[in-house]
Amino acid sequence: AQKVTQAQTEISVVEKEDVTLDCVYETRDTTYYLFWYKQPPSGELVFLIRRNSFDEQNEISGRYSWNFQKSTSSFNFTITASQVVDSAVYFCALSGPNLFGNEKLTFGTGTRLTIIP
Amino acid sequence: DSGVTQTPKHLITATGQRVTLRCSPRSGDLSVYWYQQSLDQGLQFLIQYYNGEERAKGNILERFSAQQFPDLHSELNLSSLELGDSALYFCASSSRLAGVKETQYFGPGTRLLVL
Repeated sequence: AQKVTQAQTEISVVEKEDVTLDCVYETRDTTYYLFWYKQPPSGELVFLIRRNSFDEQNEISGRYSWNFQKSTSSFNFTITASQVVDSAVYFCALSGPNLFGNEKLTFGTGTRLTIIP
Repeated sequence: DSGVTQTPKHLITATGQRVTLRCSPRSGDLSVYWYQQSLDQGLQFLIQYYNGEERAKGNILERFSAQQFPDLHSELNLSSLELGDSALYFCASSSRLAGVKETQYFGPGTRLLVL
């Protein structure tokens, strides 16, 4: 069975500080996919990134960066120079191999991030 | 804007009633997924349809059913509603190209309140 753990329930930081959101996953699949989604106060789920299990390169997109470490089954998300607009709930999710009927997302419980002005 | 639309945005109803939630996927997407977000269970996968056919089932109650129509929009039917069914219901869609893992893009959700 697949499992995603986001141990940090809530994090508060002062604006412009860096913050890292942790994600640890469990799966028996050798091929899998990891995702991060953002849920702002308005409620929608916004896709941020997708990472394949066979690609361990870290990725940077503006102030966002992601650190994928297969050895520790972690896919952590860092926001640099945080801004108030980053305040949201962030979800890490896991999906299995690209097989029909196996595309569902397993979500973590989310981390509520509050950026204090 | 993800391109996935859901109606209605909000729904208030009473226990025992039946409601229908509607989802229109992004243009060209063949797969539709339904998820439920509740305080108790978090975000949980309910069911997936691909080009009109049921493809995968998650923790969906027998009181709930879904379908995908020829124009690819989908409906989630919730019947004999209970207080515990109050939740945010999301629809997501993705295309499916052979050998390519696609991303699921989510609609804005339908917030259901059962009184």
